[in-house]
Amino acid sequence: AQKITQTQPGMFVQEKEAVTLDCTYDTSDPSYGLFWYKQPSSGEMIFLIYQGSYDQQNATEGRYSLNFQKARKSANLVISASQLGDSAMYFCAMREGRDDYKLSFGAGTTVTVRA
Amino acid sequence: ETGVTQTPRHLVMGMTNKKSLKCEQHLGHNAMYWYKQSAKKPLELMFVYSLEERVENNSVPSRFSPECPNSSHLFLHLHTLQPEDSALYLCASSFLATGGSSYNEQFFGPGTRLTVL
Repeated sequence: AQKITQTQPGMFVQEKEAVTLDCTYDTSDPSYGLFWYKQPSSGEMIFLIYQGSYDQQNATEGRYSLNFQKARKSANLVISASQLGDSAMYFCAMREGRDDYKLSFGAGTTVTVRA
Repeated sequence: ETGVTQTPRHLVMGMTNKKSLKCEQHLGHNAMYWYKQSAKKPLELMFVYSLEERVENNSVPSRFSPECPNSSHLFLHLHTLQPEDSALYLCASSFLATGGSSYNEQFFGPGTRLTVL
C-alpha cells in the first residue's frame, strides 16, 4: 500500500496567490514525521517544512505552512503569495518510528506559477 | 564547498562500462543515503549508511555497489547496467534520527543524471 498519496500531478497558480498542495498518508505508528521538499528543474531536493506527529500546532516556515489534520491523515502544504521561483516539483514524505532512516515519498506535484 | 555535492552531474554510459558516482557532504552528518528517481515514480531509497555501516539495502540489484569509506563520502559503483537504470541518482545526508517524529531532515545533493545506452 502506498504510504504517501499526492493526488495532484500538476497545478497552475497566479503570481501572488496562494496554492494548496494535497498530501495524505497512511501509517499505524503513533510516532511519525512529515516533510515537504521542493525540487526545481536543477534536480536538488530542498527541505521546506516539517511536522511531527506529536506537534500541537501546525508548522509554519516563512511563506510555507502545513495544514496538519491528524484524524484525516492529511498534511497539506500551503504556499502563500506565490512567486515565479516557486515553480518546481513538490514532494511530501514521511518517516515512521520503526524505520528511523527511511523516508517514504509521494509521487509529487508540479507547480507552475504564472506571471 | 557547502552542503552535499555530487559528481558527475551527468553521465552517459554503455551497458558494459564501469563507472562510479561520488557524493560528499560537508555538514558533519553521520548518515548518508542513495536514492533513485525515475520518471513518473516516487523516489526509491536504495542504500543507507549510518556511521559508515550499511543499515538498509532495499533489494537493489548487485550491479549497484555502494561504498562508504568515511562519514563524509559515499560512492555508488556501477557495472553492467541496463537501460532501465537510467534515472536521476540523488545522494542525501542527515544526523541519525532517534525516532519517526524527530526532525533530522535529509539534505540532498543536486543528483547525477545517468543515461544507460
